[in-house]
Amino acid sequence: EPEVTQTPSHQVTQMGQEVILRCVPISNHLYFYWYRQILGQKVEFLVSFYNNEISEKSEIFDDQFSVERPDGSNFTLKIRSTKLEDSAMYFCASSSGTGLESYNEQFFGPGTRLTVL
Amino acid sequence: DAKTTQPNSMESNEEEPVHLPCNHSTISGTDYIHWYRQLPSQGPEYVIHGLTSNVNNRMASLAIAEDRKSSTLILHRATLRDAAVYYCILRDVNSGGSNYKLTFGKGTLLTVNP
Repeated sequence: EPEVTQTPSHQVTQMGQEVILRCVPISNHLYFYWYRQILGQKVEFLVSFYNNEISEKSEIFDDQFSVERPDGSNFTLKIRSTKLEDSAMYFCASSSGTGLESYNEQFFGPGTRLTVL
Repeated sequence: DAKTTQPNSMESNEEEPVHLPCNHSTISGTDYIHWYRQLPSQGPEYVIHGLTSNVNNRMASLAIAEDRKSSTLILHRATLRDAAVYYCILRDVNSGGSNYKLTFGKGTLLTVNP
């Protein structure tokens, strides 16, 4: 069964450093997402991406964050200068459909745990 | 997206049915009801969705009230592997770009006792 994969599973970095979190969505999917979950808190939407551009972003997704689909398979989240409060589990998700469908099931990856020291 | 209300936690015994409630009194006519779950240390996982009629799939059943102001996710025979946080999410398919994101609440933590 196709699945979303994410690397690395755990990333430890120093405050102020740049990190890139990588995701390989399901191959025929068109919509890509990043979410994050701070330990013990809700899963929060960060950004959605379609047709090589951002569809929507949350208030969390400020100028320190960027996303890219550098080739036909990878989808990356970059944090330019990490802060302590960026420590969280970051989930990538992908989906196949359009808004006209009755559902738009999102398939989530296993997550990357980011620890900022 | 319209708001949902779920109990913080529920407990069940293995092999018994589990009914997880969700209230969504401000649901609109174009809101679909989605359920996702998050097993420990994993990403969320789609469970089921519906609009007006009850729905069944291999994982669960979804019972939707006639006025659509509440719904119930039914796990027919809970197993230890069903222990997870269950999220009830409304998604308006007509809300344009914002339609595509999922807005998670705190969900219901289901504990399954052996």
